[in-house]
Amino acid sequence: GAGVSQSPSNKVTEKGKDVELRCDPISGHTALYWYRQSLGQGLEFLIYFQGNSAPDKSGLPSDRFSAERTGGSVSTLTIQRTQQEDSAVYLCASSLQGYSLHFGNGTRLTVT
Amino acid sequence: QKEVEQNSGPLSVPEGAIASLNCTYSDRGSQSFFWYRQYSGKSPELIMSIYSNGDKEDGRFTAQLNKASQYVSLLIRDSQPSDSATYLCAVPSGNTPLVFGKGTRLSVIA
Repeated sequence: GAGVSQSPSNKVTEKGKDVELRCDPISGHTALYWYRQSLGQGLEFLIYFQGNSAPDKSGLPSDRFSAERTGGSVSTLTIQRTQQEDSAVYLCASSLQGYSLHFGNGTRLTVT
Repeated sequence: QKEVEQNSGPLSVPEGAIASLNCTYSDRGSQSFFWYRQYSGKSPELIMSIYSNGDKEDGRFTAQLNKASQYVSLLIRDSQPSDSATYLCAVPSGNTPLVFGKGTRLSVIA
């Protein structure tokens, strides 16, 4: 596709349920990033992939969060046993080189 | 985690004026610096990058970097209402590809 695609665009879930967020990066972009943004807050770094490898997972807020990337392309971010504080916009970005990040439109997650 | 600090604003300037946005960072080893613009309800987009001390100009935008003071700024000349957005300063730091500041909200008044 022409840009970074994220799905779903909106997700409402009940506390305690698991959710899976998907990111399809720009074709050929080797690096993929996950951030989240709470209302009125800045971007909080979660994890990034270079190819299929995640060099540093320390940004993930808790062990309920996990992410994977397969085939150097699509990535999924999974949140288990969701909590209300997980409510945020989850942004995925990709880049070919350097830090010119191209962001998707995000997934707005609401945990009720 | 290393920090990137910005004044949250809002910064209000009249149309046609110069808007000055400031950012300080804590990681003295940082070598590259970025400004992203985020319109309300939209995702961030890269507008400027700077790597060397001094000024870098791109159209109405000028990025200024002073590594000794750990300070980077963005000037917007001839501000337009369409420039109204939140401007995010971002710096690679340690293991984090990009650490973002919380952003400065700019409002250009027609």
